[in-house]
Amino acid sequence: IAGITQAPTSQILAAGRRMTLRCTQDMRHNAMYWYRQDLGLGLRLIHYSNTAGTTGKGEVPDGYSVSRANTDDFPLTLASAVPSQTSVYFCASSMQTNTEAFFGQGTRLTVV
Amino acid sequence: LAKTTQPISMDSYEGQEVNITCSHNNIATNDYITWYQQFPSQGPRFIIQGYKTKVTNEVASLFIPADRKSSTLSLPRVSLSDTAVYYCLVGDAYSSASKIIFGSGTRLSIRP
Repeated sequence: IAGITQAPTSQILAAGRRMTLRCTQDMRHNAMYWYRQDLGLGLRLIHYSNTAGTTGKGEVPDGYSVSRANTDDFPLTLASAVPSQTSVYFCASSMQTNTEAFFGQGTRLTVV
Repeated sequence: LAKTTQPISMDSYEGQEVNITCSHNNIATNDYITWYQQFPSQGPRFIIQGYKTKVTNEVASLFIPADRKSSTLSLPRVSLSDTAVYYCLVGDAYSSASKIIFGSGTRLSIRP
């Protein structure tokens, strides 16, 4: 089934550790996004990529990095996790920016 | 990016028609208006997108007046399963610098 897959589903991480959240899509979408959603709040854009080989900063990029080596994969890395990065992380993709976006099931990350 | 303003919350009853209005006074000529729905513990799901006048699909209608400074998402005959957060977004599908930005959304509660 075509779609977008995130891994892991959930993770408890010690502060200071490095962590990579994985995101893969098989729809050949050009654009991909990473969002975080804190309890009871809306989604905030962390980083995005409009096409393979390019990335851009969103609203809350500090403490996160991304890469887009190919069309399908868009990993999000926390170089040194802090408790304020405890959140639910959603990856999404769309054919073009601002066209219909498809979201993954989310990764629930707890930094302790 | 055009900023959007939506009501924080709305209540309605099963079987009623629900209209959620979004204000986007600074919408640009190339911007489209898109609505997403999000259930708890899930990623947002695309509902509808439009540029002007009226767009209808199997789940909703989108009304956009001539000046495009606002839009209204209409949900016909809602049920309990329509309880969710609804997000209005405005953006350009073709700008290389564009990205999908979510606002705070409208929390819709449907009662029996």
